[in-house]
Amino acid sequence: DAGVIQSPRHEVTEMGQEVTLRCKPISGHDYLFWYRQTMMRGLELLIYFNNNVPIDDSGMPEDRFSAKMPNASFSTLKIQPSEPRDSAVYFCASSWEGHPYEQYFGPGTRLTVT
Amino acid sequence: AQSVAQPEDQVNVAEGNPLTVKCTYSVSGNPYLFWYVQYPNRGLQFLLKYITGDNLVKGSYGFEAEFNKSQTSFHLKKPSALVSDSALYFCAVRDQAGTALIFGKGTTLSVSS
Repeated sequence: DAGVIQSPRHEVTEMGQEVTLRCKPISGHDYLFWYRQTMMRGLELLIYFNNNVPIDDSGMPEDRFSAKMPNASFSTLKIQPSEPRDSAVYFCASSWEGHPYEQYFGPGTRLTVT
Repeated sequence: AQSVAQPEDQVNVAEGNPLTVKCTYSVSGNPYLFWYVQYPNRGLQFLLKYITGDNLVKGSYGFEAEFNKSQTSFHLKKPSALVSDSALYFCAVRDQAGTALIFGKGTTLSVSS
């Protein structure tokens, strides 16, 4: 298995632009998580899905952030409009019902908003 | 609310020496505790978990962790450190709803040769 796939690996954009981050979870996994990692705030859970349904989005910072999971093999995290304070590494992780806490993380997307 | 604390930002040990990375927790109900490791420019990797049973749990790469209920601690240990163990280590606890994880701030482990 290729593991969790994220794209792009690096994204540099200007303030005000729309940014879309993509994630392909491990086949057969029921849960998908989006995290954000910064030096100041550490690792924060933004939102997670179970069987493509959003379960908890309380970590989404504000309305500029949105996440979708149209099917079991694809999820997006969108920021519109982006701001410099959104600069961070965004991780996607997945797990399956049998071991929901053993999460498999993707390599991350390093976002820089100038 | 569920939380974990990692009191040390950095731990330095010499190769071959034992290492300990500390974690304390605060939970409602039974604690589900985890350790993850992050190597540079990589995502986190699961190391080990405590849910129930023996207080000493063994995980990947020779790591183990000791659950101590009276001290509300779950310290990560390894008898003999390797330079390749140098990484960022996260302690985590299951959230109140029971599915997501709440991670600590992380502790950077540096093993010198």
